[in-house]
Amino acid sequence: KAGVTQTPRYLIKTRGQQVTLSCSPISGHRSVSWYQQTPGQGLQFLFEYFSETQRNKGNFPGRFSGRQFSNSRSEMNVSTLELGDSALYLCASSLGGLAGTEAFFGQGTRLTVV
Amino acid sequence: AQKVTQAQTEISVVEKEDVTLDCVYETRDTTYYLFWYKQPPSGELVFLIRRNSFDEQNEISGRYSWNFQKSTSSFNFTITASQVVDSAVYFCALYQAEDTGRRALTFGSGTRLQVQP
Repeated sequence: KAGVTQTPRYLIKTRGQQVTLSCSPISGHRSVSWYQQTPGQGLQFLFEYFSETQRNKGNFPGRFSGRQFSNSRSEMNVSTLELGDSALYLCASSLGGLAGTEAFFGQGTRLTVV
Repeated sequence: AQKVTQAQTEISVVEKEDVTLDCVYETRDTTYYLFWYKQPPSGELVFLIRRNSFDEQNEISGRYSWNFQKSTSSFNFTITASQVVDSAVYFCALYQAEDTGRRALTFGSGTRLQVQP
């Protein structure tokens, strides 16, 4: 079956702009989580969506937001981009959350803010 | 607060050597899960194993084995007879299950493994 698909793979944006990243989970998976990976901070949890509802949220400013659609596809939005938002953004899908099932990650979207 | 420490930033071995990647975790919860992921240069995180806090049995999968010791809060990963294809960054992660508001993976900083031919 198809894996987790993230689009676009690469993105270059200017400070102050906004950006939307997309994640299509594995068919049948209802949980989508987003992580930010940077050299300085490592992998950090952004938020998790399950059945179109945000179930958990990490310690990120309100400029980071997301949503999930009825087909479980998820989008992440970052407004008023800052240089520090440059990172690899990874999306993970799982059947119902991590506790009972393994999470499958996409290849990520590499965002560069200039 | 939960924390995962991978003290080894980078390890370099020669093919066929055995290598152990260390992982030490901190949590106040009694119910939690531990994971290992591999991140090859392509970027995606590849799931390797999940263990719950009530199962301390060691596990072996081919050349991979895991040693979970609650007494020392460690979950170490050993690759036997390493191969060049094992070169990647390996992450240990902790998932706390008791507080619905904190359910997320907490990752260690990763260990970069380089296997030389």
